[in-house]
Amino acid sequence: GENVEQHPSTLSVQEGDSAVIKCTYSDSASNYFPWYKQELGKRPQLIIDIRSNVGEKKDQRIAVTLNKTAKHFSLHITETQPEDSAVYFCAASIISGTYKYIFGTGTRLKVLA
Amino acid sequence: DGGITQSPKYLFRKEGQNVTLSCEQNLNHDAMYWYRQDPGQGLRLIYYSQIVNDFQKGDIAEGYSVSREKKESFPLTVTSAQKNPTAFYLCASGQGTNTGELFFGEGSRLTVL
Repeated sequence: GENVEQHPSTLSVQEGDSAVIKCTYSDSASNYFPWYKQELGKRPQLIIDIRSNVGEKKDQRIAVTLNKTAKHFSLHITETQPEDSAVYFCAASIISGTYKYIFGTGTRLKVLA
Repeated sequence: DGGITQSPKYLFRKEGQNVTLSCEQNLNHDAMYWYRQDPGQGLRLIYYSQIVNDFQKGDIAEGYSVSREKKESFPLTVTSAQKNPTAFYLCASGQGTNTGELFFGEGSRLTVL
């Protein structure tokens, strides 16, 4: 069935270093790939997204890359700060007559000061 | 103030009892979703609805039921048939296309005693 795998499950980096989170999706018909950030005790919020007709998108310290051939996409955070500490979820939008989003299992990022 | 509201925030239930979680949105979104969040398992889709009076099962629909009588409302009932109902439940809404942001509620934490 439809599946999104996300790695790693936890990631610790020193403040100022870069962090990379990777996701792989199974349905080649997927064409929308958002990333959500969930801070402790709060709701997930969209931080960046990419569509299948684009290979890379950047927004300040955050970037997402997409490799359609390999069916994987990655989140890159540069110059990490303590406020980047959160759980990050990737998702793939599956076309199946109706539109549903399948999420990865999440990555807990800890930025060490 | 536009948004998506879930209630109650915390709920305790005895085994064998049904409980209904409320989700209301005033964003005029067509699509609404229910996800279950457990540690290490990400966001798993329970049910979703693209239009009023229509909804589809997600990956873990067993033991749950929903209704979509109004565009603004998508309540979730956790029935006594759900074997492990203790979890954090998130409701979301979106435009109903496969390229678009999901807006999440603040969640409802259900504990079965």
